[in-house]
Amino acid sequence: ETGVTQTPRHLVMGMTNKKSLKCEQHLGHNAMYWYKQSAKKPLELMFVYSLEERVENNSVPSRFSPECPNSSHLFLHLHTLQPEDSALYLCASSHSPQGDGYNEQFFGPGTRLTVL
Amino acid sequence: RKEVEQDPGPFNVPEGATVAFNCTYSNSASQSFFWYRQDCRKEPKLLMSVYSSGNEDGRFTAQLNRASQYISLLIRDSKLSDSATYLCVVRGGSYIPTFGRGTSLIVHP
Repeated sequence: ETGVTQTPRHLVMGMTNKKSLKCEQHLGHNAMYWYKQSAKKPLELMFVYSLEERVENNSVPSRFSPECPNSSHLFLHLHTLQPEDSALYLCASSHSPQGDGYNEQFFGPGTRLTVL
Repeated sequence: RKEVEQDPGPFNVPEGATVAFNCTYSNSASQSFFWYRQDCRKEPKLLMSVYSSGNEDGRFTAQLNRASQYISLLIRDSKLSDSATYLCVVRGGSYIPTFGRGTSLIVHP
């Protein structure tokens, strides 16, 4: 596999369920990101990890819990979600998390989440 | 003023047309700039970085105007396959890249 992969690609869950989204990057990058994309809205940054350390938590509700066990893997643990959390969740990686230099991000295909 | 603003469109153009999008940003300390393309129900993919001197990649030309705080994307000889949403991304020195809402382009026969 190359690039950034995400599983599952689609997920339907009830509000009382607990599930996890998985992201893996094969690019040798040091930074990983979770984004939420809702219909007709810009991408919303949720979390940033640099070398497995969380460096940014963009005021995300505690029902979303990230985990970065190593620089290649990123998880998003979900529990007691609300219907308004239904969205496309995108993972991305970049060489470093800093904004200097042309440090472009590479995105995974996303997980389309529906909360019933 | 929003951090990154784009005209959502849609821009509806015939094949072969030239079309240009602008993106304005509010943070004068922004350091790097990108255009991404996002097809319907797919992930964003990097189209091109935007360099201070401007840069070109085939039919695509990107420009940066720091004085007026905007970047532009010019597409020449539009193809049907260019139909997509074009996202402007601006990064400062922090960890947070800022995405615009995107500009929708529809190229018709």
